[in-house]
Amino acid sequence: LAKTTQPISMDSYEGQEVNITCSHNNIATNDYITWYQQFPSQGPRFIIQGYKTKVTNEVASLFIPADRKSSTLSLPRVSLSDTAVYYCLVVPLAGTASKLTFGTGTRLQVTL
Amino acid sequence: DTAVSQTPKYLVTQMGNDKSIKCEQNLGHDTMYWYKQDSKKFLKIMFSYNNKELIINETVPNRFSPKSPDKAHLNLHINSLELGDSAVYFCASSNRDWKNIQYFGAGTRLSVL
Repeated sequence: LAKTTQPISMDSYEGQEVNITCSHNNIATNDYITWYQQFPSQGPRFIIQGYKTKVTNEVASLFIPADRKSSTLSLPRVSLSDTAVYYCLVVPLAGTASKLTFGTGTRLQVTL
Repeated sequence: DTAVSQTPKYLVTQMGNDKSIKCEQNLGHDTMYWYKQDSKKFLKIMFSYNNKELIINETVPNRFSPKSPDKAHLNLHINSLELGDSAVYFCASSNRDWKNIQYFGAGTRLSVL
């Protein structure tokens, strides 16, 4: 199972673009990358998912280089309400659910 | 309407007791899960269950057991509670299997005294 490494925390000012990078050096060929967001006292919520290159939705963009050993979640023009923990998750198409682990995530703090 | 709901939100109990946490999803999903989030925010899957199979994380003590009365419910039973069981427990569900997007409940904070 691909282990992920993310910065423990990041700080940003409101209105800035925030990029959170996740390292997954031993990602397998058929694995894909998923990001979740967790607000205090809530469960994680799906943000975006991708396999390679770039994926964009109404919330964020996900950049995955050709070697797929890392991925970057990009949040455009963050607001105070984007303060949360962001989890990078490598989802393997092979294996079992018992190996699914979210890791410790990146705590993003947005201030004025 | 809440898609995945858990009760209770908070649970405080003594060591050695047996307790249950309930989970219901109204998304029509096939698979439900239980996760444990410890004090360091490390989120780890405990169980994955659908009508075909139960997948158990081998690190989960057998004091923990999931019970599913029907497709929309997956309850978590914990016997002989220990101090180390204190954590936030999340229920989740997904369409088809665990490789798909998961929808989480708000969590149950369990405190064992």
